Amino acid sequence: AQSVTQLDSQVPVFEEAPVELRCNYSSSVSVYLFWYVQYPNQGLQLLLKYLSGSTLVKGINGFEAEFNKSQTSFHLRKPSVHISDTAEYFCAVSDRRNTDKLIFGTGTRLQVFP
Amino acid sequence: DAGITQSPRYKITETGRQVTLMCHQTWSHSYMFWYRQDLGHGLRLIYYSAAADITDKGEVPDGYVVSRSKTENFPLTLESATRSQTSVYFCASRGSREPDTQYFGPGTRLTVL
Repeated sequence: AQSVTQLDSQVPVFEEAPVELRCNYSSSVSVYLFWYVQYPNQGLQLLLKYLSGSTLVKGINGFEAEFNKSQTSFHLRKPSVHISDTAEYFCAVSDRRNTDKLIFGTGTRLQVFP
Repeated sequence: DAGITQSPRYKITETGRQVTLMCHQTWSHSYMFWYRQDLGHGLRLIYYSAAADITDKGEVPDGYVVSRSKTENFPLTLESATRSQTSVYFCASRGSREPDTQYFGPGTRLTVL
């Protein structure tokens, strides 16, 4: 079975500052990793995903994440955030052999201040 | 391109009543999913369906019933709503071209009084 831990429930940051949202996972099998973003009163939107290949994955809106197998981490980063990045961010994992089930973390609320 | 829609978007009901949440997708995706989102828990899978007439339990299926008579629809029914089922419910789907990626609807906020 897989599990996901998002270490920070809230991350406040000023506009144009860099940000890192942390995600660690636990799994006995190979996994796919995802970051989803949820803007206020909306559904989840895929930000980026790691399936295989390069461990640095680039997504939409200037976000990127790095898969670190030895540390079982998949941290999300952005070098300069905007007010519009204020949202809830969810890390998720699925078994490579069975992608029917996505296991989500509890989410990190990113609040960007002017 | 309607994508995936949910109805109603907001629902208030009383304990013991039956409630059905609707999910419709226009992509002909074979897989569909229902999640609930609660503070401190993230999203948890309730039920999923691999195709019409094929459904399976997720992590938190108790108190819920699903059906899938048509590929495009996946209704979720609370047969006798309880206060603990107050939550935001999300439907999702995925297709064969991107078997690893789920696409989510806008959600239904359900309050059980």
